[in-house]
Amino acid sequence: EPEVTQTPSHQVTQMGQEVILRCVPISNHLYFYWYRQILGQKVEFLVSFYNNEISEKSEIFDDQFSVERPDGSNFTLKIRSTKLEDSAMYFCASRDFAGEQYFGPGTRLTVT
Amino acid sequence: GENVEQHPSTLSVQEGDSAVIKCTYSDSASNYFPWYKQELGKGPQLIIDIRSNVGEKKDQRIAVTLNKTAKHFSLHITETQPEDSAVYFCAATFEGDSWGKFQFGAGTQVVVTP
Repeated sequence: EPEVTQTPSHQVTQMGQEVILRCVPISNHLYFYWYRQILGQKVEFLVSFYNNEISEKSEIFDDQFSVERPDGSNFTLKIRSTKLEDSAMYFCASRDFAGEQYFGPGTRLTVT
Repeated sequence: GENVEQHPSTLSVQEGDSAVIKCTYSDSASNYFPWYKQELGKGPQLIIDIRSNVGEKKDQRIAVTLNKTAKHFSLHITETQPEDSAVYFCAATFEGDSWGKFQFGAGTQVVVTP
């Protein structure tokens, strides 16, 4: 069964450093998303992406965040200068035209 | 603002009993309501969804009901098994948001005891 994959599973970084979280969406999907989940809290929408551009972003997704689809398979989330409060699980998701959205296993980001 | 409320936050049931989780939403124009199951260390897995033109949907031991007038939808798990233990999230889409932008509930920790 096709699935969304994410790498790395766990990333530890120092405050102020840049991180890139990587995702490979399901191959025939055209809509891509990033969500985050701070420990013990609900899953929060960050950004949606379609046709090589951002469709919508939340207020969390400030200028420190960017997304890119550098080739036909990868979808990345970059945090330019990490802060302690960026520590969370980051989930990538993709969906098809039917609307069912599938999530990856997540990347745990720890900012020290 | 747009919001999804989920109750209860924790639910402990005996194996074989039923579990019910309820969510309410704020936007009467919402039209898609998925339920996700999240096991420890994994991402949310879609288990069932319902669209606004349907009142109930069932898939084996799992069912979802939608009451658009009251703006609430519920997940029903019958004949619970230990492998049903997980955190369950409801979600909804809101009018004006891009399709696929979900607002999630806070989650329900379900524990099924043998």
